[in-house]
Amino acid sequence: GAGVSQSPSNKVTEKGKDVELRCDPISGHTALYWYRQSLGQGLEFLIYFQGNSAPDKSGLPSDRFSAERTGGSVSTLTIQRTQQEDSAVYLCASSRALAGGPTYEQYFGPGTRLTVT
Amino acid sequence: GESVGLHLPTLSVQEGDNSIINCAYSNSASDYFIWYKQESGKGPQFIIDIRSNMDKRQGQRVTVLLNKTVKHLSLQIAATQPGDSAVYFCAEKRNFNKFYFGSGTKLNVKP
Repeated sequence: GAGVSQSPSNKVTEKGKDVELRCDPISGHTALYWYRQSLGQGLEFLIYFQGNSAPDKSGLPSDRFSAERTGGSVSTLTIQRTQQEDSAVYLCASSRALAGGPTYEQYFGPGTRLTVT
Repeated sequence: GESVGLHLPTLSVQEGDNSIINCAYSNSASDYFIWYKQESGKGPQFIIDIRSNMDKRQGQRVTVLLNKTVKHLSLQIAATQPGDSAVYFCAEKRNFNKFYFGSGTKLNVKP
């Protein structure tokens, strides 16, 4: 079946502009994660959605970052007034497991490479 | 602060040899760990996981070892192949379903 998809694959924007990044998780997966990966670095947790629960936003680096998940499926990560330090690959992952389940395997999308000029 | 980190940023091995990638973690409350493989231009791919009530788990050509005493995790790859060349990340689950990733180790397999 289809995996996690993200769009766009690449985004170049000017400093100060807003951007929206989209994630389509695997159908039926209740958990959705956003991560940020800077060049040569590990993954930085941004936000986590689980079912209808309030999202865990503790990883968002500033109030310029926000995310929504509509209908428990598609998610959009919005960055307002982009800065050059926002340049990174933004990865989305989904998981079917609930807390306490047998596995927490996350299926990752290919990412969106954001470049802020 | 607490972190997940790796001992070696780059590891080069000869094709056919065994590879060992190490990871140190500092949060003793972490109860679940995952190893991921990330090839260039792709998202991370699940390799193997282990719960904190285990000290060893084996998959196909891969073994994960967990030493809770020294907070150390390792990934062993048997008979390393060129297709194993990638960046490998360990990740720990600390609370609920939030995961923290290490900075990664790049594995180069020489033919």
